[in-house]
Amino acid sequence: DIQMTQSPSSLSASVGDRVTITCRASQNINNDLNWYQQKPGKSPKLLLYSASNLQSGVPSRFGGSGSGTDFTLAISSLQPEDFATYFCQQSYSSPYTFGQGTKLEIK
Amino acid sequence: QVQLQESGPGLVKPSQTLSLTCTVSGGSISSASHYWSWIRQHPGKGLEWIGNIYHSGSAYHNPSLKSRLSISVDTSKNQFSLKLRSVTAADTAVYYCARSRVEGAVNAFDIWGQGTMVPVSS
Repeated sequence: DIQMTQSPSSLSASVGDRVTITCRASQNINNDLNWYQQKPGKSPKLLLYSASNLQSGVPSRFGGSGSGTDFTLAISSLQPEDFATYFCQQSYSSPYTFGQGTKLEIK
Repeated sequence: QVQLQESGPGLVKPSQTLSLTCTVSGGSISSASHYWSWIRQHPGKGLEWIGNIYHSGSAYHNPSLKSRLSISVDTSKNQFSLKLRSVTAADTAVYYCARSRVEGAVNAFDIWGQGTMVPVSS
């Protein structure tokens, strides 16, 4: 199985800050990397697919980059509704695996 | 728009079979463009892909669960189902059904059900 490792595991930031979350795959996954946001008690929401493509309806302050094994999710100007847990997921090969999550908290 | 809803028993005893159904509304499970998946999340933990199925009945299982798992589809009811045999406390989780695409953003899960918590306990 492809292992997905996110860093940091948790992050404190303020409204208006720019933050980045990284995701590393244990092998090359081309650009088959997706990002999700999950709020407490809710199901995950797809933010970006294929590393850098914004899902319909997702604000443009979310951006993604990377290919191969190293990927980044960036949020350009944090809004109150962005405090949540973020997961990466590889869709390169089955079984499709997720990172352990990054919890973004208000400073 | 397409919505997914999980249903099933709220509690399963150890060694029994966990059975869940996902009902698709607002769209057809017979769509040639989509796969239908089960994903679970252990309490306070990350996400684990369980397996998926196409409307034809072709299914792919996570090898870690393959010996205990079956996924089926009922196109007449617009539903797909999960059966996990011989459960233990380690199978306690929130179970989600989700949709992904066959082309384009392949296996990115763009629509999720609300999830159903399934405790395994005697």
